[in-house]
Amino acid sequence: DAGITQSPRHKVTETGTPVTLRCHQTENHRYMYWYRQDPGHGLRLIHYSYGVKDTDKGEVSDGYSVSRSKTEDFLLTLESATSSQTSVYFCAIQRGPRGNEQFFGPGTRLTVL
Amino acid sequence: KNEVEQSPQNLTAQEGEFITINCSYSVGISALHWLQQHPGGGIVSLFMLSSGKKKHGRLIATINIQEKHSSLHITASHPRDSAVYICAVRGAGNQFYFGTGTSLTVIP
Repeated sequence: DAGITQSPRHKVTETGTPVTLRCHQTENHRYMYWYRQDPGHGLRLIHYSYGVKDTDKGEVSDGYSVSRSKTEDFLLTLESATSSQTSVYFCAIQRGPRGNEQFFGPGTRLTVL
Repeated sequence: KNEVEQSPQNLTAQEGEFITINCSYSVGISALHWLQQHPGGGIVSLFMLSSGKKKHGRLIATINIQEKHSSLHITASHPRDSAVYICAVRGAGNQFYFGTGTSLTVIP
């Protein structure tokens, strides 16, 4: 594995509450990604980061924000959670020869009631 | 539109059968990745390919860059191979595209 952890692993919350998911890596990789996985959609990119304080939006970024104040941590925040954000969230890092590989964290299952 | 298409979406096989999962993509790529996800589990990397063929144990992956197509083969399938197999490609820049996955069930 690539030394990626996610916390929490499971969370149940109520509509309208803020939620922050944390991704932590131990290998000092520059690129980090947040995806959500939903049935019938595969993995969809929410946001990614290409360095400390450098982030950009993915295809499903509405309702989400991210921050990266340290190389090892990439935070995903749902400012006001909605039921449509119930999903499994995966963090990934990019590595390998020429940066062609992605390695994934264990995932966070989020339920918004 | 999906940049990566996989077929079949679902596949059921008897233990011991030879299995093929296909992946077609529409973007220029620098590499293609096969991933495995067991039910309720994390996503594990199986192969990364940029040309030709790779083999790990009973798994074989091939890629045809000209035809923009890759296949994942499993020989002598086993119930523990039951999982979702995901094809992913690295496109321009640092954009990765994912198929929706093929759900494989191997029956003893």
